[in-house]
Amino acid sequence: QVQLQESGPGLVKPSETLSLTCTVSGDSISNHYWTWIRQPPGKGLEWIGFISYTGSTNYNPSLKSRVTISVDTSKNQASLKLSSVTAADTAVYFCSRGRSAQTSIIGYWGQGTLVTVSS
Amino acid sequence: DIVMTQSPDSLAVSLGERATIICKSSQSVLYSSNNKNYLAWYQQKPRQPPKLLFYWASTRESGVPDRFSGSGSGTDFTLTITSLQAEDVAIYYCHQYYSSPWTFGQGTKVEIK
Repeated sequence: QVQLQESGPGLVKPSETLSLTCTVSGDSISNHYWTWIRQPPGKGLEWIGFISYTGSTNYNPSLKSRVTISVDTSKNQASLKLSSVTAADTAVYFCSRGRSAQTSIIGYWGQGTLVTVSS
Repeated sequence: DIVMTQSPDSLAVSLGERATIICKSSQSVLYSSNNKNYLAWYQQKPRQPPKLLFYWASTRESGVPDRFSGSGSGTDFTLTITSLQAEDVAIYYCHQYYSSPWTFGQGTKVEIK
């Protein structure tokens, strides 16, 4: 069974870059869509963007200028970088994968990691 | 952006009774070339990630109890729990993956009356 685990700093200072890694176990990272979603405390879900199995990316226009999603097949990891963060970026960040190969429908989720933006 | 609006925001249902959640999209999420609705439903329990219940509006994900059903097409969708169990207490989200940016409904909190 595939498992996803997000990792990274839990506290980031305003104006700095948030960097998270999603480590995948139980399956290859190849041939899948990898999507990042965030959830501010007590609020709903916001789609950040995805990287497809071809390597193409699609980002939320509201974040596009600040977001980079990538994969490292040698490490079986996906990553998220969000630059110039503010308090509004405080959220639980989820890594997720398509439910099956080459499918964008989100079927697997990591447990999420809380990132707080504060000085 | 496609706006997803769920109703109600919360509902309390007695054990064994029916719970119905409505999701409306601001534009159709039905792709005419394959006649599929790009609509999913997720269940999120406290301190857990969301769990996929349905995709293509009505295709039940493996392992989801059959007391859950998804229906609808175009802009109007429904998630029904026919006989509410205690373990169904959660927030339910609809989600469109028809067009970028993907969007979610605001969530519907289901509780036991």
